[in-house]
Amino acid sequence: NAGVTQTPKFQVLKTGQSMTLQCAQDMNHNSMYWYRQDPGMGLRLIYYSASEGTTDKGEVPNGYNVSRLNKREFSLRLESAAPSQTSVYFCASSEGENEKLFFGSGTQLSVL
Amino acid sequence: RKEVEQDPGPFNVPEGATVAFNCTYSNSASQSFFWYRQDCRKEPKLLMSVYSSGNEDGRFTAQLNRASQYISLLIRDSKLSDSATYLCVVWFPGGSYIPTFGRGTSLIVHP
Repeated sequence: NAGVTQTPKFQVLKTGQSMTLQCAQDMNHNSMYWYRQDPGMGLRLIYYSASEGTTDKGEVPNGYNVSRLNKREFSLRLESAAPSQTSVYFCASSEGENEKLFFGSGTQLSVL
Repeated sequence: RKEVEQDPGPFNVPEGATVAFNCTYSNSASQSFFWYRQDCRKEPKLLMSVYSSGNEDGRFTAQLNRASQYISLLIRDSKLSDSATYLCVVWFPGGSYIPTFGRGTSLIVHP
């Protein structure tokens, strides 16, 4: 049972390059989330999708876009990467609001 | 302003000790609360849910105090393997309820 699958696990980009982080869940969850984690800052919400067909900004959305492709998949795109976006990114899903979160294994992104 | 506050620690305790962490939250309308464990920047993993009536799972006990707006985690008989960062999650009301993390409390259990 895969749960939440994130790709890639590691990525190095040059400033200005673009990339998409992929996330898929096989638990038939309605809600999906993208977080970033920086030293001393905890996990901060970038964007979320409360249900298929909806997306909303979280605490730190600038420089990112998302797509809820279908119920299973929620991607995060960096259009023009900046060194400030160097971080570890986690995707998560839940059945709905106020429910347990299940996380992917993370993507370590470095922007040079 | 961070809406969920945790003491970052580290809490450095010997094996067998009892240790407690608190997590305060700012919105009294928050509905759901959880504790997660995170090892070495791996993904957070659910430790336990937190209920007003209290919740116990082996050596771990979680409590919710709505009046004072905090949740707590008590670990009894600490093991070396309990060394990790403990994250609290509070679901805040907004357009939708949103899961908000504290910055985490680091626990180091030494022999």
